Amino acid sequence: NAGVTQTPKFQVLKTGQSMTLQCAQDMNHNSMYWYRQDPGMGLRLIYYSASEGTTDKGEVPNGYNVSRLNKREFSLRLESAAPSQTSVYFCASSEAGQGRNIQYFGAGTRLSVL
Amino acid sequence: AQSVAQPEDQVNVAEGNPLTVKCTYSVSGNPYLFWYVQYPNRGLQFLLKYITGDNLVKGSYGFEAEFNKSQTSFHLKKPSALVSDSALYFCAVSGHTGGFKTIFGAGTRLFVKA
Repeated sequence: NAGVTQTPKFQVLKTGQSMTLQCAQDMNHNSMYWYRQDPGMGLRLIYYSASEGTTDKGEVPNGYNVSRLNKREFSLRLESAAPSQTSVYFCASSEAGQGRNIQYFGAGTRLSVL
Repeated sequence: AQSVAQPEDQVNVAEGNPLTVKCTYSVSGNPYLFWYVQYPNRGLQFLLKYITGDNLVKGSYGFEAEFNKSQTSFHLKKPSALVSDSALYFCAVSGHTGGFKTIFGAGTRLFVKA
């Protein structure tokens, strides 16, 4: 079972470059999420999609955009990368919204912005 | 605002000894509480959750957690630690206050010595 698949696993960007992080889930989940993980800060929600066709801002949305392409796929775009966006990015999905539902995570994308 | 605190950055325990990883939370109304584990270079994996009912929740890999409403705590425990339990552990909470969005703690690194 693939679960949640993220690509790429690693990426190095120069300041000002753009890139898209891809995420796909095969569990027929309605809700999908993008988090960033920084040392000592846990996971912070960037954007989420409660269901296909909807997206909402999370705790730290500035500098990011998202697209819920279909029920399976949820991409995260950095239009003009900044060193402050150096982080590990995780995509997750859940059967329905947050609250009582378990979230399933991908393996992460390690991004360095120079 | 809802919040979750993991007061220890690191917990060290000898193999075979009991372990406790602490978590306290603040949320309006009844909380939904979770523990996740992260192994190196992997995404988070669900361990257990408390929604309602019995205050002692049993989860994967022999872990359990006790919900204590009066102390607003949800400590993770295991009677006998294994070296393979060494990982980063995250407590998470959601509730009415935050619109049922999930908030993650900063994480506690567990080292189990052989």
